[in-house]
Amino acid sequence: GAVVSQHPSRVICKSGTSVKIECRSLDFQATTMFWYRQFPKQSLMLMATSNEGSKATYEQGVEKDKFLINHASLTLSTLTVTSAHPEDSSFYICSARARSRENIQYFGAGTRLSVL
Amino acid sequence: AQRVTQPEKLLSVFKGAPVELKCNYSYSGSPELFWYVQYSRQRLQLLLRHISRESIKGFTADLNKGETSFHLKKPFAQEEDSAMYYCALSGLSGGQNFVFGPGTRLSVLP
Repeated sequence: GAVVSQHPSRVICKSGTSVKIECRSLDFQATTMFWYRQFPKQSLMLMATSNEGSKATYEQGVEKDKFLINHASLTLSTLTVTSAHPEDSSFYICSARARSRENIQYFGAGTRLSVL
Repeated sequence: AQRVTQPEKLLSVFKGAPVELKCNYSYSGSPELFWYVQYSRQRLQLLLRHISRESIKGFTADLNKGETSFHLKKPFAQEEDSAMYYCALSGLSGGQNFVFGPGTRLSVLP
């Protein structure tokens, strides 16, 4: 099956610093990658959709200058949380959809971000 | 607008009992419906999709366009079925994003 690797799995940072999260499709080319945020005991909230080689599309209410997304290749997308604040603490999950496969999303294991 | 509802936050059943996790949706075009499952300490993974019309781990789900539902069913629940279940919707063309329901936590009691 398709594997999506997300790194790091957990990060703790000081307020004001920036944090980068990587999402890689290991055995397939992902034309589209998605970034979600999940609050405790709640469902996934789509933050943005990124297509390889183009700018990400952000959902309403998500600050694009705050959450920088780069999808530089067909196997890598990154989410950078800039100038992180404690309210950015959350569980961030990426997923990837393959070019050649059916309309299925394959999920990373998620990143737990804690901002002190 | 796309929307997915799962009325039950928590569903508890005894081992061997039938289980049904409800999912209703609203979508103006032709939807593709999915069930994703998240076991404890594991990542979200696809359980089944309506297009495949298959049974996975004993679970089935039928798309009912008249009732706009895609309920997940299993005749005899097992303890290892305990997990978080998310119903999701996407446009058939694949260009639209996924919309996830709020999720239902299934607890199968011994």
